[in-house]
Amino acid sequence: NAGVTQTPKFRILKIGQSMTLQCTQDMNHNYMYWYRQDPGMGLKLIYYSVGAGITDKGEVPNGYNVSRSTTEDFPLRLELAAPSQTSVYFCASKRGSDEKLFFGSGTQLSVL
Amino acid sequence: KQEVTQIPAALSVPEGENLVLNCSFTDSAIYNLQWFRQDPGKGLTSLLLIQSSQREQTSGRLNASLDKSSGRSTLYIAASQPGDSATYLCAEWGAQKLVFGQGTRLTINP
Repeated sequence: NAGVTQTPKFRILKIGQSMTLQCTQDMNHNYMYWYRQDPGMGLKLIYYSVGAGITDKGEVPNGYNVSRSTTEDFPLRLELAAPSQTSVYFCASKRGSDEKLFFGSGTQLSVL
Repeated sequence: KQEVTQIPAALSVPEGENLVLNCSFTDSAIYNLQWFRQDPGKGLTSLLLIQSSQREQTSGRLNASLDKSSGRSTLYIAASQPGDSATYLCAEWGAQKLVFGQGTRLTINP
């Protein structure tokens, strides 16, 4: 199994540009999450989904949007990139509420 | 508000020592607590998940405990090795959400 796959691995954006970070999992997990990790900091939750068609905001949702049209995919959209969005973004998934969380390898995003 | 704290932020010990990493949390109504390992420039790898009804979990040289009444969890690493060098993060599962501590950066010196 591939697990949780994130693309791209690296990206540089100019201020004001838009992009979508892709996340897909092949484990038929219901729960999916987007986190960001700033240097020397823990992870902060951006958005999460408990199943297809259901999404909810986390701690730091401003400047981001998500959709969950299928069980497998959970893309994260940045509409107007700002330098404050420079970070490493992690997607994660799990099957059920009492199960382990599995992470993708991350997307390193720089906004210049 | 759920908060998770890990102290110390960094720890350096000689190879072979047994060590304990600490994690404290504010939400006594947690569902589960999970420990992760993160290597530099990499994603997170799940180490242990302790469900709220459990007091500890073990995997190889790792043992994690959970004390909900005191709001604390510990990760015990036995006979540490240089390959154990990484950042260790604990995270508390509340309602649908996982809240992370800032991690302890562990260095094992040969």
